[in-house]
Amino acid sequence: GAVVSQHPSWVICKSGTSVKIECRSLDFQATTMFWYRQFPKQSLMLMATSNEGSKATYEQGVEKDKFLINHASLTLSTLTVTSAHPEDSSFYICSANPGTSPTNEQFFGPGTRLTVL
Amino acid sequence: SQQGEEDPQALSIQEGENATMNCSYKTSINNLQWYRQNSGRGLVHLILIRSNEREKHSGRLRVTLDTSKKSSSLLITASRAADTASYFCATDYFGNEKLTFGTGTRLTIIP
Repeated sequence: GAVVSQHPSWVICKSGTSVKIECRSLDFQATTMFWYRQFPKQSLMLMATSNEGSKATYEQGVEKDKFLINHASLTLSTLTVTSAHPEDSSFYICSANPGTSPTNEQFFGPGTRLTVL
Repeated sequence: SQQGEEDPQALSIQEGENATMNCSYKTSINNLQWYRQNSGRGLVHLILIRSNEREKHSGRLRVTLDTSKKSSSLLITASRAADTASYFCATDYFGNEKLTFGTGTRLTIIP
């Protein structure tokens, strides 16, 4: 099956710093990737749709200047949490659809746990 | 919020028993998918059912979809300790790849 990786798997940073999270599709190309945030014992909430070669589409309530998304190639999307604060501590997960089937089966990365001190 | 609801929120059963969890959603869908998430890990795709399908099987999994009631159920038969995880339903809509996740069911299988 299609494989999506994320790096790093966990990161601890100080308040005010910026953190970059990478999402890669390892064996397929993805013009679209999705970024989710998940708080402990809660469900996944879609943050934004990352579009290769164009601007990301953010969900309502998600600050685009806070969560910078860059989808520079067909296999890589990055999420940068700028000026991170403790309330940004969460589990960030990306997904992508290989587009090899007519259905919308998406493959998820293993997630990145961000802890902001 | 368009997020779907799942029930129960948590379920504990003995190994070998069947586990049933339910998902309800709010608007017409194209596909409904079920995912499993082990604690602190990514999501694993289990099964996808299209809006024109009513039932689907995959190994020990059985999924039903009732579009008139906007609901779906996931049945895991002959549960195993390794089935302990959180289970989420996710829906998408025609012409849109975005997934909307349900609130999740935390399943614990007691050996």
